[in-house]
Amino acid sequence: GAVVSQHPSRVICKSGTSVKIECRSLDFQATTMFWYRQFPKQSLMLMATSNEGSKATYEQGVEKDKFLINHASLTLSTLTVTSAHPEDSSFYICSAKGRDEQFFGPGTRLTVL
Amino acid sequence: SQQGEEDPQALSIQEGENATMNCSYKTSINNLQWYRQNSGRGLVHLILIRSNEREKHSGRLRVTLDTSKKSSSLLITASRAADTASYFCATDGWETSGSRLTFGEGTQLTVNP
Repeated sequence: GAVVSQHPSRVICKSGTSVKIECRSLDFQATTMFWYRQFPKQSLMLMATSNEGSKATYEQGVEKDKFLINHASLTLSTLTVTSAHPEDSSFYICSAKGRDEQFFGPGTRLTVL
Repeated sequence: SQQGEEDPQALSIQEGENATMNCSYKTSINNLQWYRQNSGRGLVHLILIRSNEREKHSGRLRVTLDTSKKSSSLLITASRAADTASYFCATDGWETSGSRLTFGEGTQLTVNP
């Protein structure tokens, strides 16, 4: 199946700093990528839909100025958590849409101290 | 918003037994997908069933879909300890912004050796 990578896999940062997470589709072009957040023992919550060459579509309750998404190419989308706070600590997972399936990255564990 | 509900939330069985997980949803769907997630890892796509299909098999997995009841089930036969993971159903319904997945709450399956 198609491969989606995320970098970094784990990041620890201080409160108030910004963190950038990359999501790459390695062997196919993805016009649409999705960013999810997952808290411990909970399901995935869609944060935003990232479309190549256009602005991301954010889900209700997700602050677009705090979670900046850039989908500059057909193989790369980035999520930047700005001015991170401890409550932003979570597991962030991206996915890239293929023909029918979505292919998920391995996730990024963000810990904000 | 999460529209999928899964039951049971947790299931513990002995190796060799069958495991059945159920998923219900609320709106019309294009397809329904089942994913597996090991603790702290990304999602692995297991099987996709389209809205015009009623049953699908893949190895030890059997998925059913009843669109009249808006429900699906995932059966894992002859379970193994390595099947221990969280299992999520996800519905794909076309919207103006393109299809996106909505995840259920998940079932934590523990297979005891």
